[in-house]
Amino acid sequence: NAGVTQTPKFQVLKTGQSMTLQCAQDMNHNSMYWYRQDPGMGLRLIYYSASEGTTDKGEVPNGYNVSRLNKREFSLRLESAAPSQTSVYFCASSVRQLYSNQPQHFGDGTRLSIL
Amino acid sequence: AQSVAQPEDQVNVAEGNPLTVKCTYSVSGNPYLFWYVQYPNRGLQFLLKYITGDNLVKGSYGFEAEFNKSQTSFHLKKPSALVSDSALYFCAVRDTLVAGGFKTIFGAGTRLFVKA
Repeated sequence: NAGVTQTPKFQVLKTGQSMTLQCAQDMNHNSMYWYRQDPGMGLRLIYYSASEGTTDKGEVPNGYNVSRLNKREFSLRLESAAPSQTSVYFCASSVRQLYSNQPQHFGDGTRLSIL
Repeated sequence: AQSVAQPEDQVNVAEGNPLTVKCTYSVSGNPYLFWYVQYPNRGLQFLLKYITGDNLVKGSYGFEAEFNKSQTSFHLKKPSALVSDSALYFCAVRDTLVAGGFKTIFGAGTRLFVKA
């Protein structure tokens, strides 16, 4: 079972470059999420999509955009990368956000460095 | 606002000894609580959850967690630690209702080192 797949696994960008992080899940989940993980700060929610066709801002949305392409795919775009966006990015999915007793399933992350 | 705290950045324990990773929470209403584990270069994996019912919750890999309402705690425990349990552990709590449903708030994480 693939679960949640993220591409690429690693990326180095220069300041000002743009990039799209891809995420796909094969569990027929309705809700998908993008987090960033920084040392000592746990996971912070960037954007989420409660269901296909909807997206909403999370805790730290500035500098990012998202697209829920279809039920399976949820991409994260950095339009003009900044060094402060150096982080590990995780995509996650869950059955349905309203079913808050259900856990989230995570991909293995994209390690992004911005020089 | 809902919040979750993991008061220890790191926990060290010898293999074979019991381990405890602490978590406290602050919520309005009934808490929905989760524990996740993260191994190096991997995403978070779900371990267990408390929604309602028995205060002692059993999960994957021999882990269990004790919900204590009066102390607003949800500590993760294992009777006998293994070296392979060394990882980063996250406590999480359901946040308030927002557009589309509930979000999850994650603690900062506790790194567990199990020494052989």
